[in-house]
Amino acid sequence: KQEVTQIPAALSVPEGENLVLNCSFTDSAIYNLQWFRQDPGKGLTSLLLIQSSQREQTSGRLNASLDKSSGRSTLYIAASQPGDSATYLCAVYPGGSYIPTFGRGTSLIVHP
Amino acid sequence: GAVVSQHPSWVICKSGTSVKIECRSLDFQATTMFWYRQFPKQSLMLMATSNEGSKATYEQGVEKDKFLINHASLTLSTLTVTSAHPEDSSFYICSAYTERGKETQYFGPGTRLLVL
Repeated sequence: KQEVTQIPAALSVPEGENLVLNCSFTDSAIYNLQWFRQDPGKGLTSLLLIQSSQREQTSGRLNASLDKSSGRSTLYIAASQPGDSATYLCAVYPGGSYIPTFGRGTSLIVHP
Repeated sequence: GAVVSQHPSWVICKSGTSVKIECRSLDFQATTMFWYRQFPKQSLMLMATSNEGSKATYEQGVEKDKFLINHASLTLSTLTVTSAHPEDSSFYICSAYTERGKETQYFGPGTRLLVL
């Protein structure tokens, strides 16, 4: 059974810092990996999707990388802003399935 | 594109009543829809998978008579929480999958249910 772990569980940083959020998974036979953002009481917003043939994806200040062999993905947030405060969820799609396994998330607070 | 809506966004009800939550894919036809439940500070837990016109497949431990799922069309799925109790209070999120997508799910904004 796939297990997804996100470290750290919570993070509080001053504005402007560069951040790294980690996601690890136990079964490396995955297809896609996706990072989501969830604001309190809200649904999921897709940030980055790394498809099976890719190793990283970038969108603005966000960069996500994937190393299947080691079972790890990282989400890099450059020059963090208070508006980045949210919970970041990592979701791993197993091979041949579009039903992901989610991590518990990293709760991020960026203070001015 | 690939927008999923949920209605209502929040609901408060008395214990013993039934509550229906709608999930709609607005600009695409969803082959499959999913229902998740999320407890505070926890991850999403898949409750069931539904395909249009067929019975939903429930995950282990999810009571199908408690959580009725109907997927009447390619753009609408409903989750009915029957005889709700306070322990059913949670955040319910639906998602939809289309074969024309990037092999991911598209998530709705969620419904907050509070049972008094």
